[in-house]
Amino acid sequence: AQSVTQLGSHVSVSEGALVLLRCNYSSSVPPYLFWYVQYPNQGLQLLLKYTSAATLVKGINGFEAEFKKSETSFHLTKPSAHMSDAAEYFCAVSYNQGGKLIFGQGTELSVKP
Amino acid sequence: ETGVTQTPRHLVMGMTNKKSLKCEQHLGHNAMYWYKQSAKKPLELMFVYSLEERVENNSVPSRFSPECPNSSHLFLHLHTLQPEDSALYLCASSQESGAGTEAFFGQGTRLTVV
Repeated sequence: AQSVTQLGSHVSVSEGALVLLRCNYSSSVPPYLFWYVQYPNQGLQLLLKYTSAATLVKGINGFEAEFKKSETSFHLTKPSAHMSDAAEYFCAVSYNQGGKLIFGQGTELSVKP
Repeated sequence: ETGVTQTPRHLVMGMTNKKSLKCEQHLGHNAMYWYKQSAKKPLELMFVYSLEERVENNSVPSRFSPECPNSSHLFLHLHTLQPEDSALYLCASSQESGAGTEAFFGQGTRLTVV
């Protein structure tokens, strides 16, 4: 069965530091890939998505992710963390319908002053 | 109103109660979904509706009963729930016109079963 693995349930960075959140998927067929963000007591908001166009995808709030087929990865990065980036981040995949998502376990990002 | 709206935002119910969660999307989408988000578990897809037809039911217990009366509204009827059903229930919608379209989520209903 297809699955999504996010390495690290909790990541802590200092303000201004690089943010790197890892995501790997298990599938021989490249899926469509998404990163969502969830702020406390909120729903999920799409950060960015990969749909087989450019492998480097830019999203909102300065985030970007690179699809690497050989590594079955779709890691999320941001060059400089801001306090407002503190939230939970979810990597997800879909194969034939955008709303039928398989989610990773989520990574909680903390940003220290 | 824009996007996906869920009501109520919070719900506390006893195990013998019957309640319903409501979801409304204002995006003109043709597919709607219910997800369950429990503590320390990945989000789980519960039900999928496409063009108002239920196309997927992921082994969800019968105490959860979805209803999609039209393309803009989705309900989740609850009865005789268990404490382990306490979770955040998220509704989502998408426009299934091609591969790779994204889902838009509501803010969720925080359900507590006592």
